[in-house]
Amino acid sequence: DSGVTQTPKHLITATGQRVTLRCSPRSGDLSVYWYQQSLDQGLQFLIQYYNGEERAKGNILERFSAQQFPDLHSELNLSSLELGDSALYFCASSPWASGEQYFGPGTRLTVT
Amino acid sequence: GENVEQHPSTLSVQEGDSAVIKCTYSDSASNYFPWYKQELGKRPQLIIDIRSNVGEKKDQRIAVTLNKTAKHFSLHITETQPEDSAVYFCAANNDMRFGAGTRLTVKP
Repeated sequence: DSGVTQTPKHLITATGQRVTLRCSPRSGDLSVYWYQQSLDQGLQFLIQYYNGEERAKGNILERFSAQQFPDLHSELNLSSLELGDSALYFCASSPWASGEQYFGPGTRLTVT
Repeated sequence: GENVEQHPSTLSVQEGDSAVIKCTYSDSASNYFPWYKQELGKRPQLIIDIRSNVGEKKDQRIAVTLNKTAKHFSLHITETQPEDSAVYFCAANNDMRFGAGTRLTVKP
């Protein structure tokens, strides 16, 4: 157990809908990263927050947004969902702005 | 941004043999190179990492080597066991980009 928690574990929704994924980092970690992993694919970096501020942006679609709250938990919002958004979404946390990352168990999103 | 290439994409070895996975990166300012192991249906887990001030780091059967001049680093697993079967990802820290992954299969 990495100490990073993600909810929900599974999510099934329809195309066009909006969902929110939640991540709580390890105690004391200031960075939160979000990744998308489609079936049998690699880890696609979406976005990183460090101590409440956006620090780096990857291949995040305009339909997706995220934020990190004062208590350092983070939420990833996915809107106007498409079938291709079906994937495992991982968050990871790190004590610093860069360095080793500790991954949560992931949220499996299925868009039907 | 950083470009991280990882080879091979799949690797099959006999139990007890060694396995080597290589990654190259493009950003010479990168100074931290982690390796993650992801078992089927599970989260990626950090197994070893190296910083740019050293050339090699070892942890039991796992080692990582770094060649900063050539901008490549490698994961070495010796005396492989079936439980080493997983997907392995490399990364370079100046951009949060992971390599595409190597699926390692260790045959008993």
